[in-house]
This record gives sequence, C-alpha cells and structure tokens, in this order.
Amino acid sequence: DGGITQSPKYLFRKEGQNVTLSCEQNLNHDAMYWYRQDPGQGLRLIYYSQIVNDFQKGDIAEGYSVSREKKESFPLTVTSAQKNPTAFYLCASSNPGGSGANVLTFGAGSRLTVL
Amino acid sequence: GDSVTQMEGPVTLSEEAFLTINCTYTATGYPSLFWYVQYPGEGLQLLLKATKADDKGSNKGFEATYRKETTSFHLEKGSVQVSDSAVYFCALRRDTGRRALTFGSGTRLQVQP
Repeated sequence: DGGITQSPKYLFRKEGQNVTLSCEQNLNHDAMYWYRQDPGQGLRLIYYSQIVNDFQKGDIAEGYSVSREKKESFPLTVTSAQKNPTAFYLCASSNPGGSGANVLTFGAGSRLTVL
Repeated sequence: GDSVTQMEGPVTLSEEAFLTINCTYTATGYPSLFWYVQYPGEGLQLLLKATKADDKGSNKGFEATYRKETTSFHLEKGSVQVSDSAVYFCALRRDTGRRALTFGSGTRLQVQP
C-alpha cells in the first residue's frame, strides 16, 4: 500500500543535541511538507518542497533544516537553535497538479520530547 | 496573511446529536477549503473538501458548504456516533502563490454513548 512513513514515532533528546526525523513516501508525489503541532494549536508549516532539490521556508522555519535529495524522502533536522522543540511533527505529501492537487496525505507523526 | 478560525472545543455531544463546528477564513483570491480529522496518536486524514464557492463537500455523513459571502465552511453531521470522537481541523489552500495548507487550531469532539 502507498503511504508516508515517519520515523521514529517517539524520540527523546537532550538539550543542545540535533535530531533528524525521517519522512519517506511511496506515492510518487512531487510536493512534501513538514508541520509542527502543539497542544491546543493548529498545524504550523515549517518547510515545504515542491520538487526535488528545492525547498522553501514555512512560517516557523527558524531552528530547523531540511533536504530534498530524492523525490521520496524529505528529512527534517531539529537543531539546537530551536528554542522549544518538544512537539508532534507531521510530514505530508501531495501532487501539485491534477484532480488530487489539493489533497495532502499525512504520515502518522513523530513525537519529539526534549529532556 | 491567510488565517483560519475555528470554534474552540472541546465539543461534547451525546450519540445521535446534531453536530456543527464553525470555521471562518481570511484569504485573498479563491482558496480551496478542507476539513481534516485526527484520531488519537495518528496523522490527519482528509474528511471532505470544496474548491469553489457554493460547493458542498460530503463524506461519511459529514457535510460542509463553501460560503464565500460569509467566508465560512462550517462542518455538520446530522447524527454523531462515538466513533466520530476526534479532533477536526479546518484548512485552506490558496489558488495562487504558496500552495501549502493553512490550518485552524482544531476542535476536539467528544461523543458520549
């Protein structure tokens, strides 16, 4: 079955450490996205990529970095510069064109806790 | 900038009650509108969508109508079930420029037997 796989599901980090969250999709989607979800808040866009080797900052990109070297992969690094990294991180993908252009498919999420 | 405003939760209903979750938006142009649902510990799933004014999206007994005059996209269901308990997110996607979704803060629905 096609879908988005995020790993790890749970991650604990000490302050000052960088961590990388994995996101892999086998849907052949061109666009991929990272969102952050905090309790009682909506999803906020961190980074997105419309095509391989290209990505743009979202609304809360500070303290995060991404790469898009392959179509199916869009890893997110949470750096030590991110002041409040404890959150639930969601990866999504979509096709920019066609009838399904508006629909995002989400992974199951990764919960990061900073100790 | 773009924004989506949802009614605060939690919304607590008895089984078979009527559900309305309000959603209003601010955006330029003619955005597409969506409702997503999130079950505990999971990612979001698309519930329904509408791409132009007066369109009605529907799925699994849920409905929402794109009202451009009131910039609203309220979610309704005639008879909720315990299995509908989840967090519901309203979202918009611009028709030009940045195509990533902008989400509301979510509304938690709790349905009691």
